[in-house]
Amino acid sequence: SQTIHQWPATLVQPVGSPLSLECTVEGTSNPNLYWYRQAAGRGLQLLFYSVGIGQISSEVPQNLSASRPQDRQFILSSKKLLLSDSGFYLCAASSFRTGGTDTQYFGPGTRLTVL
Amino acid sequence: AQSVTQLGSHVSVSEGALVLLRCNYSSSVPPYLFWYVQYPNQGLQLLLKYTSAATLVKGINGFEAEFKKSETSFHLTKPSAHMSDAAEYFCAVISTGYSSASKIIFGSGTRLSIRP
Repeated sequence: SQTIHQWPATLVQPVGSPLSLECTVEGTSNPNLYWYRQAAGRGLQLLFYSVGIGQISSEVPQNLSASRPQDRQFILSSKKLLLSDSGFYLCAASSFRTGGTDTQYFGPGTRLTVL
Repeated sequence: AQSVTQLGSHVSVSEGALVLLRCNYSSSVPPYLFWYVQYPNQGLQLLLKYTSAATLVKGINGFEAEFKKSETSFHLTKPSAHMSDAAEYFCAVISTGYSSASKIIFGSGTRLSIRP
């Protein structure tokens, strides 16, 4: 089974500072990777997904960007953080098989507070 | 387009009582449905999934869900609540079942509280 690592676990950053959150996956190859944000008291919002190295799809226009430099590494970045970027960021991975179920498994999350 | 609706943002039951969390879906194709649980400050954990096999799906921690096409429902149940069941529960549907990257649509979540 696959294991998803995220770091850091918590982060406090000032407005206008850069951001880099990292997600790595073990136990599977060529996974589909996802970044979600969960704002306080709200549901999950899909931010980005990737089906392969260098292939990034953005779901919502925003202050964030994503990159996939390696097969099992997914990075979420920002050049200048906004207060509204605060939230709980979750990375997820799935291994789609034709005719099968694309079940997503989640990492432990990163709590980002922008002050 | 697929969607899910979770009825009740907060459900409170007594320890030992039946747990029922409601989820209704909308899908133009046979859906794949999921229930996830999230404990405070943790990621989401898969409880169970429906993939068009048996309509009654058993998951972890004693939870199960029944797929009812006629009612477009996928309610989550547990016969006897335990204090450790207190968490946020999310119902979800895959938006595309056969593409290279299926996107999951999550419900807004139901917070389950357990009274001693």
